[in-house]
Amino acid sequence: GAVVSQHPSRVICKSGTSVKIECRSLDFQATTMFWYRQFPKQSLMLMATSNEGSKATYEQGVEKDKFLINHASLTLSTLTVTSAHPEDSSFYICSAFVRTTDTQYFGPGTRLTVL
Amino acid sequence: DAKTTQPNSMESNEEEPVHLPCNHSTISGTDYIHWYRQLPSQGPEYVIHGLTSNVNNRMASLAIAEDRKSSTLILHRATLRDAAVYYCILTRYAGNNRKLIWGLGTSLAVNP
Repeated sequence: GAVVSQHPSRVICKSGTSVKIECRSLDFQATTMFWYRQFPKQSLMLMATSNEGSKATYEQGVEKDKFLINHASLTLSTLTVTSAHPEDSSFYICSAFVRTTDTQYFGPGTRLTVL
Repeated sequence: DAKTTQPNSMESNEEEPVHLPCNHSTISGTDYIHWYRQLPSQGPEYVIHGLTSNVNNRMASLAIAEDRKSSTLILHRATLRDAAVYYCILTRYAGNNRKLIWGLGTSLAVNP
């Protein structure tokens, strides 16, 4: 199956700093990637849809200036959490959409802890 | 948005079949039914999906009701590695993209 990687797998940062998370499709090209956030014992919450070469589409209630998304190539999308605060601590997961199989393939997730 | 309803938790014994139900009474004609599963602190893993007909793959089988208002994921012989949260999800186009609508899932425990 299609493989999606994320880096880093875990990050701890101080409040007020910015953190960049990378999402890569390793063996296929993905024009569309999705970014999710998951709090403990909760389901995944879609944050934004990232399309290669165009602006991301954000879900209602997600601040686009705080969660910057860049999808500069067909295999890489990045999420930057700017001026992170403790309430941004969460599990961030990306996925890449494969049109030929109509399926999303997920990365392993990034655990962000903001002190 | 069409939603799915699943039991919060289920339990099974190792090497026995498991039937995980999902209700989606407000499904529309173009919604696909996807199943994913998630282990703790990992990203979701694709299991299976279908539209109208029953589907089989190496991981599981998907039985879809004739009216499409419910479906059942079947694990033929549960193993300890199958213990996870199983999500039944309807997918639909939002513009040019498939948008996943996530429910709370079923937490499956497998007893040795």
